Amino acid sequence: EAQVTQNPRYLITVTGKKLTVTCSQNMNHEYMSWYRQDPGLGLRQIYYSMNVEVTDKGDVPEGYKVSRKEKRNFPLILESPSPNQTSLYFCASSARTANTEAFFGQGTRLTVV
Amino acid sequence: KNEVEQSPQNLTAQEGEFITINCSYSVGISALHWLQQHPGGGIVSLFMLSSGKKKHGRLIATINIQEKHSSLHITASHPRDSAVYICAASPLGASGSRLTFGEGTQLTVNP
Repeated sequence: EAQVTQNPRYLITVTGKKLTVTCSQNMNHEYMSWYRQDPGLGLRQIYYSMNVEVTDKGDVPEGYKVSRKEKRNFPLILESPSPNQTSLYFCASSARTANTEAFFGQGTRLTVV
Repeated sequence: KNEVEQSPQNLTAQEGEFITINCSYSVGISALHWLQQHPGGGIVSLFMLSSGKKKHGRLIATINIQEKHSSLHITASHPRDSAVYICAASPLGASGSRLTFGEGTQLTVNP
């Protein structure tokens, strides 16, 4: 089954404690992205990757890091989480061809206290 | 002004009603996506349009490139259609992972 898998689904952590949210896709997609979703602001792009070792900032990259060492994986790293990073996070992937459907993970609800 | 705007923000309907959600965008696009997000939070892709009209079951999506406008219609609405519907634009030349989103429309269908 074609899918994007995020882990964990829920996470509560404390300010400053480094964490990683994993994202993996099984469709051999070149493009992967991370988004956060906040009430009243909708979905906003954090980082995206066009292929292995190729990443770029989205609209709200501050406080986040990513890496793309393998095509299937695109982890999101919060080196020193803060309460304003409390949000619902989504990973998505799509093929390199233009006009292709995006596939989303189930989301990770992060709370930073 | 957001590059992608949806209306209405909230919509309540009675079961069986015909529903329309509108999306306007100000950027050049290669495709317009309609997404559905259920209360559990997961997002699924309903349609991707670059022209014309698509239909899947009771859902119909249309796009007018000249007017930069798209609509999502639900015929014979049902309580299970209750969800947030989000339109998203793929900038010209980009894939589905480079998306600019509208704020979403919360649809509630009452029995």
